[in-house]
Amino acid sequence: ETGVTQTPRHLVMGMTNKKSLKCEQHLGHNAMYWYKQSAKKPLELMFVYNFKEQTENNSVPSRFSPECPNSSHLFLHLHTLQPEDSALYLCASSQQTVNTEAFFGQGTRLTVV
Amino acid sequence: AQSVTQLGSHVSVSEGALVLLRCNYSSSVPPYLFWYVQYPNQGLQLLLKYTSAATLVKGINGFEAEFKKSETSFHLTKPSAHMSDAAEYFCAVSAGNDYKLSFGAGTTVTVRA
Repeated sequence: ETGVTQTPRHLVMGMTNKKSLKCEQHLGHNAMYWYKQSAKKPLELMFVYNFKEQTENNSVPSRFSPECPNSSHLFLHLHTLQPEDSALYLCASSQQTVNTEAFFGQGTRLTVV
Repeated sequence: AQSVTQLGSHVSVSEGALVLLRCNYSSSVPPYLFWYVQYPNQGLQLLLKYTSAATLVKGINGFEAEFKKSETSFHLTKPSAHMSDAAEYFCAVSAGNDYKLSFGAGTTVTVRA
């Protein structure tokens, strides 16, 4: 069983659809993150949760809505996305938010049509 | 603020040759430094980390990195490249209260037979 599991692995959605990405970590970590990885661009940190509380939102458009019901689960709700939102969305977790490595899931490849 | 710069977006090596990936960091406080590897359509996997202990850090898959404060560098090396080393490699830094892992732009490694 992998430490951080993301579902689905692939998602194709229309611009008017609503979908959700799910992340679950089995590592007992307290912090969870969403990253966006687009072709030819550096990894972008989107959201940070620490002990279920959102501690960072890096100016992410409101069409992306995160939810963290507990320290083991993280969701990213998607609605009215644009084609430029197509990317690999990576979830990660870490024991703490300071000076520690993050463990990543395998990502969800999102295509917006 | 902390940051890392990876020199060279693409490195091509022959199988059996030395792999050298360059990373320079910027931080006003002692940093924690990391190298990650990403295979196509996968998440990031931690290769190794520097946390202020030994300056020469050994990681998985035969990789190692040396922390050089005087040069603000944390270059990644592997003495003999294998075909399976073809992937994208990311350097990252976390320092002080600015807990966000800051990633470099990545270096793609191709291995020639």
